[in-house]
Amino acid sequence: EAQVTQNPRYLITVTGKKLTVTCSQNMNHEYMSWYRQDPGLGLRQIYYSMNVEVTDKGDVPEGYKVSRKEKRNFPLILESPSPNQTSLYFCASSPHSVEQETQYFGPGTRLLVL
Amino acid sequence: AQSVTQPDIHITVSEGASLELRCNYSYGATPYLFWYVQSPGQGLQLLLKYFSGDTLVQGIKGFEAEFKRSQSSFNLRKPSVHWSDAAEYFCAVGAFYNQGGKLIFGQGTELSVKP
Repeated sequence: EAQVTQNPRYLITVTGKKLTVTCSQNMNHEYMSWYRQDPGLGLRQIYYSMNVEVTDKGDVPEGYKVSRKEKRNFPLILESPSPNQTSLYFCASSPHSVEQETQYFGPGTRLLVL
Repeated sequence: AQSVTQPDIHITVSEGASLELRCNYSYGATPYLFWYVQSPGQGLQLLLKYFSGDTLVQGIKGFEAEFKRSQSSFNLRKPSVHWSDAAEYFCAVGAFYNQGGKLIFGQGTELSVKP
C-alpha cells in the first residue's frame, strides 16, 4: 500500500531533550516536506526536500533540522525542543515539486513539550 | 502576499442538508487549488483539486468545488451531508514555483453534523 508513515504518533517530552520524528514514504517520491499545524493557523511549511541531499527552509524553520540521506526517509530533528514547538506535525511527499501534483500526507505526530 | 482565507472557523449542518464551505485565495499567478479533509486523529486526505479547464471540479465522497477567478474563490459543496462528513476541511493553493513546493493552507473549517 502506498503511504507516508510517521513515528512516533504521539510524543511527550521536556524542554531541551533532543528528539527525532521519522518520516518514510514507499512511493519513490522525490519531494518531501514537513508542516506543523496549529489552531487558527492551518498548516505551515517547516522544511522541504527536492531530492536526496537537497533540503531548504520553509516558512517556519527556526528550531528544526532535517536531513535527506535516502530518498524514502526525511526525519525532522528538534535539537532543543521548547514549549512553543508543541504542535501537530505532518510529513508529506509528492513525485516532484510541481504545482499539478498532489501531496500525500502522513497520519501526523502530536508533540507536547513541557 | 499569497494567502488562503477560510472565513468560517466552525459550521454546523443537519444531516441531509446541503453544505458550502468558503475559500478565498490571493495568488499572483494561475492558482492550483486543493481541498483536503482531516478526520479526527487522521492525516489529510485529498478531496479534489483544480488545475485548469472546467471550473466545476468533482471529487471523492460526493464533494464538488467551483473555481471562480473573478471572485478569487474555490468553494466546496456537497448536496447532502452525512454524519461521517464531520471533520476539518482545509483549502490550499499550490505555491510550487520557486517557493519550495509548498501548499499554502487556509485556517481550516471545522464541520459538525447534527443528527
